[in-house]
Amino acid sequence: GENVEQHPSTLSVQEGDSAVIKCTYSDSASNYFPWYKQELGKRPQLIIDIRSNVGEKKDQRIAVTLNKTAKHFSLHITETQPEDSAVYFCAASPSGGYNKLIFGAGTRLAVHP
Amino acid sequence: DAGVIQSPRHEVTEMGQEVTLRCKPISGHDYLFWYRQTMMRGLELLIYFNNNVPIDDSGMPEDRFSAKMPNASFSTLKIQPSEPRDSAVYFCASRGGHHGYTFGSGTRLTVV
Repeated sequence: GENVEQHPSTLSVQEGDSAVIKCTYSDSASNYFPWYKQELGKRPQLIIDIRSNVGEKKDQRIAVTLNKTAKHFSLHITETQPEDSAVYFCAASPSGGYNKLIFGAGTRLAVHP
Repeated sequence: DAGVIQSPRHEVTEMGQEVTLRCKPISGHDYLFWYRQTMMRGLELLIYFNNNVPIDDSGMPEDRFSAKMPNASFSTLKIQPSEPRDSAVYFCASRGGHHGYTFGSGTRLTVV
């Protein structure tokens, strides 16, 4: 089955710096890759997603890149702010469907003022 | 839209008792998912439904866990009997079309 690995597990940056979180997946048929942000005690919330026919997608300060050949995708946050502090999860939808999502283990991002 | 609604928000029960978690998906969404979140294992998919039919229950840990979706607006996850290792946050999520999941607020289950 699909396996999603996420790195790093923790990331600490200064306000204004950039943060990059990387994920790899195993199922070459996976075609949908969302990213979720989870604040302490809250639900995971979708922040950006990318489909396999696109190599890059950007939404204000966040962007996601996808390399299907290498089976990895990354989340980039620029000009980080303290409110970006949270746990970020990547996920992949295996076997060519948009159905179930397999999540990475999460990255705890801390942005220090 | 009120989003995905889960109840209860918190549940504390004694080992051996039956626990029932409830979920109301977003109206019109045809997929419903149950996930469990723990520090050790992260977000684990337990089971998901499409149009009220269970599609994949390979993540259900053991026979003590069961899930139903009697209609498009309601699903339950039942644990009988509960054990301390079942303590976790249980999330329900729904999806419609080619859109991302929307998660509910979760149920924090503590089995003592």
